[in-house]
Amino acid sequence: DTTVKQNPRYKLARVGKPVNLICSQTMNHDTMYWYQKKPNQAPKLLLFYYDKILNREADTFEKFQSSRPNNSFCSLYIGSAGLEYSAMYLCASSPGTSNTEVFFGKGTRLTVV
Amino acid sequence: GDSVTQTEGLVTLTEGLPVMLNCTYQSTYSPFLFWYVQHLNEAPKLLLKSFTDNKRPEHQGFHATLHKSSSSFHLQKSSAQLSDSALYYCALSPPNQGGSAKLIFGEGTKLTVSS
Repeated sequence: DTTVKQNPRYKLARVGKPVNLICSQTMNHDTMYWYQKKPNQAPKLLLFYYDKILNREADTFEKFQSSRPNNSFCSLYIGSAGLEYSAMYLCASSPGTSNTEVFFGKGTRLTVV
Repeated sequence: GDSVTQTEGLVTLTEGLPVMLNCTYQSTYSPFLFWYVQHLNEAPKLLLKSFTDNKRPEHQGFHATLHKSSSSFHLQKSSAQLSDSALYYCALSPPNQGGSAKLIFGEGTKLTVSS
């Protein structure tokens, strides 16, 4: 099974409220990623976990948090949602090597109102 | 920094005509290049990847040749099918990232094939 599962598929959040998105994979991949995709823009890497080590991109460092309680699960946490967080969030995973195939989930569409 | 450019946001074709989707890139290193395809309501999936100059990987009738001299990795298919309608992303991955395969994407090209 090469599926990355994301829940929920759609999420509505209020401005100022927290948001938690969930992702899981059963491929025993060492690395899990979160990308943000806005309309007419390229998917943008927010952060990734290699094993238990979290790496956050410099320009989104303070906007997103994440946790990985075990190899299979990874969450993306927004402490206080703003309108600018409305986007598709794609979770992905890959074996712990460079330049290998990355497996994506179908995404969670977050709408902040 | 590294970047990927896909010049066409939308390509509309009639079934049976050839497909060519453009991709150029800028990178400090010699990166791996990828094409990912995302069908409606599905996850993006790997279509092709390449690291070797002038080699032409093929998959599902699609092929792409990495030309390092022109920093290009255009996607081609000789005859479009209705089922090829999808969003196509070109992406690069810098080499030697240790445990990650993080991707830098282009904005994507939406291909619509009609009968």
